[in-house]
Amino acid sequence: EVQLVESGGALVQPGGSLRLSCAASGFTFSVYWMSWVRQAPGKGLEWVADIKEDGSDNYYLDSVKGRFTVSRDNAESSLYLQMNSLRVEDGAVYYCVRKTSAYDRLLAFDIWGQGTMVTVSS
Amino acid sequence: DIVMTQFPDSLAVSLGERATINCKSSQSVLYSYNNKNYLAWYQQKPGQPPKLVIYWSSTRESGVPDRISGSGSGSDFTLTISSLQAEDVAVYYCQQYYSSPYTFGQGTKLEIK
Repeated sequence: EVQLVESGGALVQPGGSLRLSCAASGFTFSVYWMSWVRQAPGKGLEWVADIKEDGSDNYYLDSVKGRFTVSRDNAESSLYLQMNSLRVEDGAVYYCVRKTSAYDRLLAFDIWGQGTMVTVSS
Repeated sequence: DIVMTQFPDSLAVSLGERATINCKSSQSVLYSYNNKNYLAWYQQKPGQPPKLVIYWSSTRESGVPDRISGSGSGSDFTLTISSLQAEDVAVYYCQQYYSSPYTFGQGTKLEIK
């Protein structure tokens, strides 16, 4: 079964850091661009970051550039999001998502994890 | 950034009736070199992650019932549910993947009348 399982969400103070993880299974992780998408409570969806299948390229939402870093370990079939200098407005459910086909960036998201909750509050 | 606007924000339709959700992008999401519209639709039920239902503006994802269809090109798109079933109650989002940041519409809440 194709699956993405996120972990690492927590309550953190403004200015703090957090590292999210996503464990992939059931497909060849190393050939897919992967992304993070977030959803604040009761709000809509917001794409956060993309990373190329080999980790050599990435893209970020402007509001997280310089604060968030997306990375991956293909040997472990894992995706990560390092979040620094967290703001109240970063609080959301963070979803790990897969693109619909291998080796291509401009694609829809076909596989979603269940999400992990990040709360930023003092 | 490409702004995606959906309308209506909410919609109540009787069981068995047609539901139509519209989505407009602030610029075309049609790539002329391959004639594809970089537009997807997602369905999100309470407490669940979104589920892809339509991509390339009109391609139905595997397992999605054929009563759900997508249409449109350029900047104007429509998601249609031909005969509403109880399990279709959800929030629906359109999304462009033409260029990053990939942006979503604000969502349309579909309910039963």
